[in-house]
Amino acid sequence: AQKITQTQPGMFVQEKEAVTLDCTYDTSDPSYGLFWYKQPSSGEMIFLIYQGSYDQQNATEGRYSLNFQKARKSANLVISASQLGDSAMYFCAMRESIQGAQKLVFGQGTRLTINP
Amino acid sequence: DADVTQTPRNRITKTGKRIMLECSQTKGHDRMYWYRQDPGLGLRLIYYSFDVKDINKGEISDGYSVSRQAQAKFSLSLESAIPNQTALYFCATSDLLGGGFNEQFFGPGTRLTVL
Repeated sequence: AQKITQTQPGMFVQEKEAVTLDCTYDTSDPSYGLFWYKQPSSGEMIFLIYQGSYDQQNATEGRYSLNFQKARKSANLVISASQLGDSAMYFCAMRESIQGAQKLVFGQGTRLTINP
Repeated sequence: DADVTQTPRNRITKTGKRIMLECSQTKGHDRMYWYRQDPGLGLRLIYYSFDVKDINKGEISDGYSVSRQAQAKFSLSLESAIPNQTALYFCATSDLLGGGFNEQFFGPGTRLTVL
């Protein structure tokens, strides 16, 4: 079963608009973490934001915020005031414990294109 | 200087050849990982190591082997490369934490093409 699902293969947004990238997850582990990474065309993986399963408030980092809805098992990334440099692949990932070891499981990614 | 480096950055090889991808880190982290990225599939874990003496298979370890030569070095080998191993390969590191925030720091990636 897919543990991390990103249902939007591609999104197109006008510059300066806000954008929400969807991520749903599946786990029975009560302690887990959710990450978002950005991958520009150059290929590197850039950490954006983290949400722990016990965190009471939604995580924010500058223009990035995470809309964490635990009951719905969703962890959507919100980018406010989008910029041309936000065009990239975005990956949602979940840290889970498997046989006592903590590992990251990634979704398929969403390609975001910001139009001028 | 980059904290996590990978060599080579690009490599073209032929079917049946042995190839090694190398990863070095200066972050002092105990945990190191090798991932493979294919279009439309995100990143998938090949092998991971929590210290020099601890190496574990990930989701897609068949056709790969690894060596943890030191805390700072983790190598991935393809003993006999095949075309469907053409992919972007990432090395990553993280702290040894019991829980909570545990960011993985990624290297720049190695683009491997097997002809």
